[in-house]
Amino acid sequence: GAVVSQHPSWVICKSGTSVKIECRSLDFQATTMFWYRQFPKQSLMLMATSNEGSKATYEQGVEKDKFLINHASLTLSTLTVTSAHPEDSSFYICSARARQGFGNTIYFGEGSWLTVV
Amino acid sequence: GQQLNQSPQSMFIQEGEDVSMNCTSSSIFNTWLWYKQDPGEGPVLLIALYKAGELTSNGRLTAQFGITRKDSFLNISASIPSDVGIYFCAGTSGTYKYIFGTGTRLKVLA
Repeated sequence: GAVVSQHPSWVICKSGTSVKIECRSLDFQATTMFWYRQFPKQSLMLMATSNEGSKATYEQGVEKDKFLINHASLTLSTLTVTSAHPEDSSFYICSARARQGFGNTIYFGEGSWLTVV
Repeated sequence: GQQLNQSPQSMFIQEGEDVSMNCTSSSIFNTWLWYKQDPGEGPVLLIALYKAGELTSNGRLTAQFGITRKDSFLNISASIPSDVGIYFCAGTSGTYKYIFGTGTRLKVLA
């Protein structure tokens, strides 16, 4: 099946700094990638939809200036948490929709743990 | 954000037993997906369903796309300890923007 890779797997940063998480589709081109946030023992909540070459679409309640998304190529989307605060600590997961050949499904990365201290 | 209603929330079963869980939506979907998530990892796709009434198997797992297109079911037969984890359903009406279920936490007692 399709493979999506996320990096880093975990990161600790100081409050007030910014941190970038990468999401790559390894063996297919992804026209659309999605970023989710998951709190412990909860489901995945969609933050934004990232389309290659255009601005991301953010879900209601998600601050676009705080969570910057860049989908510069068909295989890479990045999420930058700016001026991070402890309440931003969470498990961030990306997923990618294949351009063709993989059906109407999305594939997830391994997730990235962010801890803001 | 919107979530699908998934039940049961959690279940403890004996090894060898069969497991059933379901997911319901207030709106019609054209694709249902079932995922398993282990602690600290991303969800892994188990089964994808594309047509109402479709019944698809993946080893001991069988999932069905409800004929009303508002629900889906996942069954695990002869459970084993490695089946432990959280199972999520996800559905979309065609926009690729998937809505996720609240999850079913499965624990298997050896």
